[in-house]
Amino acid sequence: SAVISQKPSRDICQRGTSLTIQCQVDSQVTMMFWYRQQPGQSLTLIATANQGSEATYESGFVIDKFPISRPNLTFSTLTVSNLSPEDSSIYLCSVLDHHEQFFGPGTRLTVL
Amino acid sequence: DAKTTQPNSMESNEEEPVHLPCNHSTISGTDYIHWYRQLPSQGPEYVIHGLTSNVNNRMASLAIAEDRKSSTLILHRATLRDAAVYYCILRFSGGSNYKLTFGKGTLLTVNP
Repeated sequence: SAVISQKPSRDICQRGTSLTIQCQVDSQVTMMFWYRQQPGQSLTLIATANQGSEATYESGFVIDKFPISRPNLTFSTLTVSNLSPEDSSIYLCSVLDHHEQFFGPGTRLTVL
Repeated sequence: DAKTTQPNSMESNEEEPVHLPCNHSTISGTDYIHWYRQLPSQGPEYVIHGLTSNVNNRMASLAIAEDRKSSTLILHRATLRDAAVYYCILRFSGGSNYKLTFGKGTLLTVNP
């Protein structure tokens, strides 16, 4: 199974700033996903990131707010822009490996 | 996406079997049934999946009703480490749509 690491593990940011989250996988994978988990809630898919193409965003999420990069088959970044307290959540990276999804440990973001 | 319905919470005693139900009356013939669980402060982890037949692995068993409108995740001997939120998810098996849509899941409490 794929092993996923995320940086940072947590951060506290001021409103109006941005945070970029890195996701590193120990093997090459075609599909990567970014999820958000708001406090006490389930996971919500933000976007699917395939290497060599634009990310596909789910309804309610836009590229200007959540730009994603996918420069190669083992790495992706998610930026959360123009932060507001409503963006306080855990952000999780996930990859598809052998038809199953594996998840990173998450990045806990607090916006003041 | 086809919807699943799970109890909000369940309780079990350590060393006893646990049966976690999931209703999915609108399942289509091409939907796989996946189970993931999320331990406290961790990303979700894959538990088991199936299409029509019952499935067993080292973590759990999956019993699928003959009409596929419901399924049950079985933990044969619950341990304290099994306390988690369990998600039952349907995933379309055709095409390249591998994304998982998480519902609210069942919070399993295991009593010592």
